[in-house]
Amino acid sequence: DTEVTQTPKHLVMGMTNKKSLKCEQHMGHRAMYWYKQKAKKPPELMFVYSYEKLSINESVPSRFSPECPNSSLLNLHLHALQPEDSALYLCASSHTGGGADTQYFGPGTRLTVL
Amino acid sequence: RKEVEQDPGPFNVPEGATVAFNCTYSNSASQSFFWYRQDCRKEPKLLMSVYSSGNEDGSFTAQLNRASQYISLLIRDSKLSDSATYLCVVNMPLASSYKLIFGSGTRLLVRP
Repeated sequence: DTEVTQTPKHLVMGMTNKKSLKCEQHMGHRAMYWYKQKAKKPPELMFVYSYEKLSINESVPSRFSPECPNSSLLNLHLHALQPEDSALYLCASSHTGGGADTQYFGPGTRLTVL
Repeated sequence: RKEVEQDPGPFNVPEGATVAFNCTYSNSASQSFFWYRQDCRKEPKLLMSVYSSGNEDGSFTAQLNRASQYISLLIRDSKLSDSATYLCVVNMPLASSYKLIFGSGTRLLVRP
């Protein structure tokens, strides 16, 4: 089973709203990732958690706040977003975050900021 | 220079054609290599990992040349369902961790 689940599938929010994206995997993976993908572009890495600790933050604005409550769950808290933040947000997981890892992606949350 | 560069495409081929995609990467310390497939408005899905010895999965053959820092994907007897964007992906070292670097993708359209 290589399934990563994400909720919600679609989200529309105003610039003053607070919302959260959720990601879950039950593959026993210890590394989890958030990516942002704009139309006709490849995914861009935002955050990496390895063994529940934040290991990479790709200079993401503070209006995006990641959280890893346990090894199976990854959240992305959203606050005061801008319309240009509208995109597909993808979660992925891999074994340990090492150089030989394969990452498996969830179906994504399509976010629209009004 | 981009860290991972791919043929820009799009490739428009008839059903049954053979099509080849190429990709180069800049960091010789890269550890692992992949082709992912992405359908419109869907997530990337792993097509295959790529090894120096070459590997085959059905009508797909992938090859890695570490000396030239070059990765290829060959699709034989292409089917309508092979229409998608193909992403060349490289796992590169970043500080004490690793990061997937994606090529910009090559769009394939297989026509009847």
